[in-house]
Amino acid sequence: GAGVSQSPRYKVAKRGQDVALRCDPISGHVSLFWYQQALGQGPEFLTYFQNEAQLDKSGLPSDRFFAERPEGSVSTLKIQRTQQEDSAVYLCASSFVGGQGEQYFGPGTRLTVT
Amino acid sequence: DAKTTQPPSMDCAEGRAANLPCNHSTISGNEYVYWYRQIHSQGPQYIIHGLKNNETNEMASLIITEDRKSSTLILPHATLRDTAVYYCIVRAPTGNQFYFGTGTSLTVIP
Repeated sequence: GAGVSQSPRYKVAKRGQDVALRCDPISGHVSLFWYQQALGQGPEFLTYFQNEAQLDKSGLPSDRFFAERPEGSVSTLKIQRTQQEDSAVYLCASSFVGGQGEQYFGPGTRLTVT
Repeated sequence: DAKTTQPPSMDCAEGRAANLPCNHSTISGNEYVYWYRQIHSQGPQYIIHGLKNNETNEMASLIITEDRKSSTLILPHATLRDTAVYYCIVRAPTGNQFYFGTGTSLTVIP
């Protein structure tokens, strides 16, 4: 079946622009996660949803980062007023059970802020 | 969640077994050991996980020491497509996120 998909795969934004990154999780998966991966580093947790509820947003680096999952399926990560340090790969993952099972990752969106 | 320590890089000859070590000396009794790998330009891929017994699946084997302070991921017959960064992660059942660290970059050599 279809895995986790993310769009766009690549995004170039000028500093100060707003961006929106989309994640389509595996159908029926309850939990959805966003991670940020800087070059040469492992992924770092940003936020977690169970259905439409955002249960953990402790990893969001600033109030410029906002995530939503209004209907409990597709999720959008929005970054306002992008800065160069936001350049990274943004990974989305989903899992069937409530946060505790193995997570299935999408290919990521590579964001470059110029 | 407990931290893990992995060597930054390893080489393995094609067709030989790749043994990737991980230290997790502060692991708690209810924390599982997970292994993921990330091939260049792809998202991380789940490999295997275990609590205290050794585990095997179609991809790999996981050997956890009796004191649970370390583990080894074994790829029995490494191929060129196994070249990737391998992450060892420990997580409690109630934990939501994975702490990836920097992993081990495995290069399989022809």
